[in-house]
Amino acid sequence: GENVEQHPSTLSVQEGDSAVIKCTYSDSASNYFPWYKQELGKRPQLIIDIRSNVGEKKDQRIAVTLNKTAKHFSLHITETQPEDSAVYFCAATLNAGNMLTFGGGTRLMVKP
Amino acid sequence: DADVTQTPRNRITKTGKRIMLECSQTKGHDRMYWYRQDPGLGLRLIYYSFDVKDINKGEISDGYSVSRQAQAKFSLSLESAIPNQTALYFCATSPTNSGDNEQFFGPGTRLTVL
Repeated sequence: GENVEQHPSTLSVQEGDSAVIKCTYSDSASNYFPWYKQELGKRPQLIIDIRSNVGEKKDQRIAVTLNKTAKHFSLHITETQPEDSAVYFCAATLNAGNMLTFGGGTRLMVKP
Repeated sequence: DADVTQTPRNRITKTGKRIMLECSQTKGHDRMYWYRQDPGLGLRLIYYSFDVKDINKGEISDGYSVSRQAQAKFSLSLESAIPNQTALYFCATSPTNSGDNEQFFGPGTRLTVL
């Protein structure tokens, strides 16, 4: 089955700096890669996703890149703000709509 | 607003007790999931159901069972709770249309087994 590894497990940045979280996956057939954000005490919520036919996707201050050859994908947050502080999870699956395999999560702390 | 709800939100129980966690949704989704969240381990899939008559084991199903009573309801049971089942449990739903991929999570149930 699929295995997803996520790094780093914790990340501390200064407000305004950029943050990058990286994930690797094992199953080369996986073709859908979502990112979820979980604020403290809240439920995970989808923030961005990418499919394997696309190398990069942006939505305002967040972007995701995918390298199919190396089997890794990354979340990039620019101009970080205190409200970006949360736990971020990457995930992978074969065919969107199927069950997801999640990474272990990254706790991002943005210091004002 | 259509939502995913879980009851109870918090539960403390003792080793050996039977516990049921309930999930209900008003999103009209066919697919429902139960996850467990432990620090540093992310979200791990326990069971999933793609429709009322479909039940599938996930990554960590041992010690758990589920029941899909209706499209809107998916319950998780711990037949004989043990301390290492102490965790945060999430129910999630998603639509059947493979072009609509987002999983919608409930608020979670924090379970403590003493």
